[in-house]
Amino acid sequence: AQKITQTQPGMFVQEKEAVTLDCTYDTSDPSYGLFWYKQPSSGEMIFLIYQGSYDQQNATEGRYSLNFQKARKSANLVISASQLGDSAMYFCAMRFSGSARQLTFGSGTQLTVLP
Amino acid sequence: EAQVTQNPRYLITVTGKKLTVTCSQNMNHEYMSWYRQDPGLGLRQIYYSMNVEVTDKGDVPEGYKVSRKEKRNFPLILESPSPNQTSLYFCASRSVREGYGYTFGSGTRLTVV
Repeated sequence: AQKITQTQPGMFVQEKEAVTLDCTYDTSDPSYGLFWYKQPSSGEMIFLIYQGSYDQQNATEGRYSLNFQKARKSANLVISASQLGDSAMYFCAMRFSGSARQLTFGSGTQLTVLP
Repeated sequence: EAQVTQNPRYLITVTGKKLTVTCSQNMNHEYMSWYRQDPGLGLRQIYYSMNVEVTDKGDVPEGYKVSRKEKRNFPLILESPSPNQTSLYFCASRSVREGYGYTFGSGTRLTVV
């Protein structure tokens, strides 16, 4: 079965430091897409970054980068130079080739940035 | 401004009273979807639509209905709400182009008593 796992219910990081949020997945499909979303306390879902399974390079978007290790089936989000505004829930999600229109989400990681 | 608008933001209702949560997007997106979010479970898809008049079930469709009569609108209907449908609901849309994530609405927090 296709599954997304986020093993860190909560994480703390000091302001200005980098933090890595873990995400592993389980699929036998060769084609899939990986997404990270941010959900601040106000509740909205904010799209952060995307990685395709065939992309040769790791995706980057500003302070966000995706550490994609295909053989290990992991897609960790790295946030550099953390800011207080980064405190939020972060969700890893995947779109599998057999479910082209659907995102499957992990259970989320609550990140708290400390001043 | 490109956005997904869902209403209402908050709703408290009683068991069995039919309700509709509206969703509208102004980006001409083909795909639209409804998710519910529950603590510890992440987001789970209820229904999705590939285009007008094309809808299909997600992971947790029981107790819900949808329709897609126009490209921009995708309402979620609860014919007879029950307390286990108390949740945070999100409408989302995306382009057919690969690499684009869903754009989410602001969410509707539904409480069924």
